[in-house]
Amino acid sequence: EAQVTQNPRYLITVTGKKLTVTCSQNMNHEYMSWYRQDPGLGLRQIYYSMNVEVTDKGDVPEGYKVSRKEKRNFPLILESPSPNQTSLYFCASSLTGVPNEKLFFGSGTQLSVL
Amino acid sequence: AQSVTQPDIHITVSEGASLELRCNYSYGATPYLFWYVQSPGQGLQLLLKYFSGDTLVQGIKGFEAEFKRSQSSFNLRKPSVHWSDAAEYFCAVSGAGNMLTFGGGTRLMVKP
Repeated sequence: EAQVTQNPRYLITVTGKKLTVTCSQNMNHEYMSWYRQDPGLGLRQIYYSMNVEVTDKGDVPEGYKVSRKEKRNFPLILESPSPNQTSLYFCASSLTGVPNEKLFFGSGTQLSVL
Repeated sequence: AQSVTQPDIHITVSEGASLELRCNYSYGATPYLFWYVQSPGQGLQLLLKYFSGDTLVQGIKGFEAEFKRSQSSFNLRKPSVHWSDAAEYFCAVSGAGNMLTFGGGTRLMVKP
């Protein structure tokens, strides 16, 4: 089944403890992206990647890192999480990138930073 | 810079009634416009998109949207709402590069 898989689904951590949220897609998509969703603000793009070893900042990249060493994987790294990074995170992918192709979304990761 | 405004945070309609969700965008040239739906606990699913051509676009689940350049709007409509349409709806715009900008969302509740 074609899908975008994020793990974990829920994560509670403490300020400053490094964490990684994984994202994997099985559709051979070129484009992958991370969003955070906050009430009233919709989804805001954190980072995106057009291909292996190619990443670009979105609207809210501060405090986040990404890497794209393999086509299928696009992990989101929070090296020193802070409470303002408590949010619902979504990974998405598409064949060639926005706007030409629709995005496929993962089920989300609810992160709480205490 | 591109931006999207969804003026209505919450909308409640009765089952069987018609629906219109508003979306206004800001972008200097002709944008690419999208509507996505998010059911509780799920990721987003594309309902429809506008790239060019006919300004009335049809989507899945009986939804349609109309692009009005003069009003910078891309409102989503459905003639008869079903209880299963209760969800959060996001309008999005893409202009330059591979950035996709979402609005704040409209939560739709359906009364029996």
